[in-house]
This record gives sequence, C-alpha cells and structure tokens, in this order.
Amino acid sequence: EVQLVQSGAEVKKPGESLKISCQGSEDTFSKYWIDWVRQMPGNGLEWMGIIFPTDSDTRYSPAFQGHVTISADKSISTAYLQWSSLAASDTAIYYCARRLSAEAEDSFDLWGQGTLVTVSS
Amino acid sequence: DIVLTQTPLSLPVTPGEPASISCRSSQSLLDSDDENTYLDWYLQKPGQSPQLLLYAVSYRASGVPGRFSGSGSDTDFTLRISRVEAEDAGVYYCMQRLEFPSCSFGQGTKLEI
Repeated sequence: EVQLVQSGAEVKKPGESLKISCQGSEDTFSKYWIDWVRQMPGNGLEWMGIIFPTDSDTRYSPAFQGHVTISADKSISTAYLQWSSLAASDTAIYYCARRLSAEAEDSFDLWGQGTLVTVSS
Repeated sequence: DIVLTQTPLSLPVTPGEPASISCRSSQSLLDSDDENTYLDWYLQKPGQSPQLLLYAVSYRASGVPGRFSGSGSDTDFTLRISRVEAEDAGVYYCMQRLEFPSCSFGQGTKLEI
C-alpha cells in the first residue's frame, strides 16, 4: 500500500529546535512534489511550502518563509520540516501530502497521518 | 492572495437527505491558458487526515462514491451530497491551487449527522 508515514508526536519547549519527517516510497519521491500543511488546534488547513525531492526545488508560503525549513533526502525517500527556534504558536498538527504536478488533475492524492507538535514551557 | 469563503460553517443533516456546501473565491480560479479551473474539495473525518474528494471542480477522486458531485465556475462553487450517509460526517474544505505551487483552503464546513 502506498503511504506517507510521518514521525511521531513531539513535545518541545519554546526556543528549542525540531525536525519532523515524512517517509514514502521510492516512486513517490522520484515523481511527486511533497507539500507541508499546518492545522492549528481547532482550526483549518494552511499551506506552508513544497519540495521536489528529485532536485530539492523548494518553495515557501510567504507566511512561513524564514520560520521553517523544508528539505528532503531522496536516497531514503524522506522529506523534512524543521524549526530552529520553536514558539508556542507553532503548536499544531503538521501534514505532508504529495501531488504529481501543477496540472488540474493532480491535487493532493495522498496525505501522511500527521505529526502533532506541542510547544509549551 | 486568493481567499476562499465557505458557507455554511456548520451543516446539520439527516441521513438520506441531500446536502450542499458553497465555496466562493475572491478571484476567478479559471486558468485562461489551459481553460481548467483549479478548485478541489477535501473531507477531513474526525481524527483523520484530509482526503481528496473532487478535483478541478467536478472530477471525483479514485474511490469517491457517486453521491458526491461538484459544480460551479469562476468564483462560485458547490459540493453536493445527494443522500448523506453517516460516514460522510466531518469537515469539508475547498482548496484553490490556481498559481502553482501556492494553494489556500476555505475555513471548512462541519457536516454534522
């Protein structure tokens, strides 16, 4: 079964760093873009950014540019989302999702199970 | 930035009855170059990740039941469920992706059964 498997829940203190992961198949990571989406407690979905693991082409939403870093290691079919200094407002569930291209028929057809990040002193 | 506004935000329904959710965009989602409209619908069931229901306004994703349909154009879109079932409960989101790779979501509509 094709899946995106995300790393487990994290509890961190403000100011700490964190890197969460999203692992998929070799096929996914050679053909698809991988997106990251935030869902704050009780809130909706916010697009954060995207990476094409094949060449590490990375784009960010202006709202998240400079606050997070998206990366990928194609050799192990894993994408990452990282923070150098967490804030309480980073408390949320973070989802990775894949899409094949910019074409109309290619939306987010597979999502990870989500990683809950809790930032509290 | 393209803003999507969904109505209603909460929708109580009875099993077997129809339901519809509206999504209005702050600008047209029609790409004049390829004539496609970049509006999708997702369902997030309680405790789960979102799942794709419809893409490009009206195309059902793989495995999505025929009771789900989508319509609309330019800035006004509608998701319809012909006969609601208990398993349809959750939060429905519209999403636009007109300018790759950027995308944005509506606030969500909670379907309560």
